[in-house]
Amino acid sequence: KNEVEQSPQNLTAQEGEFITINCSYSVGISALHWLQQHPGGGIVSLFMLSSGKKKHGRLIATINIQEKHSSLHITASHPRDSAVYICAVSRGGSQGNLIFGKGTKLSVKP
Amino acid sequence: DTEVTQTPKHLVMGMTNKKSLKCEQHMGHRAMYWYKQKAKKPPELMFVYSYEKLSINESVPSRFSPECPNSSLLNLHLHALQPEDSALYLCASSQSGTVGEKLFFGSGTQLSVL
Repeated sequence: KNEVEQSPQNLTAQEGEFITINCSYSVGISALHWLQQHPGGGIVSLFMLSSGKKKHGRLIATINIQEKHSSLHITASHPRDSAVYICAVSRGGSQGNLIFGKGTKLSVKP
Repeated sequence: DTEVTQTPKHLVMGMTNKKSLKCEQHMGHRAMYWYKQKAKKPPELMFVYSYEKLSINESVPSRFSPECPNSSLLNLHLHALQPEDSALYLCASSQSGTVGEKLFFGSGTQLSVL
């Protein structure tokens, strides 16, 4: 079993829909990251969370430390949101040593 | 400037070639990282530099040789690569490399080894 599990693996939505991507982890963490990767491209760090909730524009990320679960929400989705969304956790030691989920591929249709 | 710049964006090389990947940041970050990402897989950490010193080498073959000439620059020297080394190579940086910092990623170098 992977230490970081994401669901769903693939998600297709219509423009304007509310989207939720889930991440569960089985290890103790110091922080959880939500990352966005467009096809063939680099990675953008969307959020880093250790507790509670963060909001940036149409994106909201929440984390429940007790339940070892995080969600990424996208409100009023748009085709430009189409990307792979990756959940990753950092456990201590070097920050770069992240445990990555397998990603959720999101396609938003106009 | 909140960018991590990687060059080249694409690289095709033969198995006998020697090439280098370059990564640059001007955010004053003191930790820099190399990741390798195969298609449809998550990134895998290769190397970590902290304050210009190699702090983590994730058992990477010696045909990959990292170098950190100064706090803004990170290179990855490639020699005698194999076709299975074809991948997206991502560079990242963070303020000091301790837990709890945001990572800034570059857009990657897509490497093809023929």
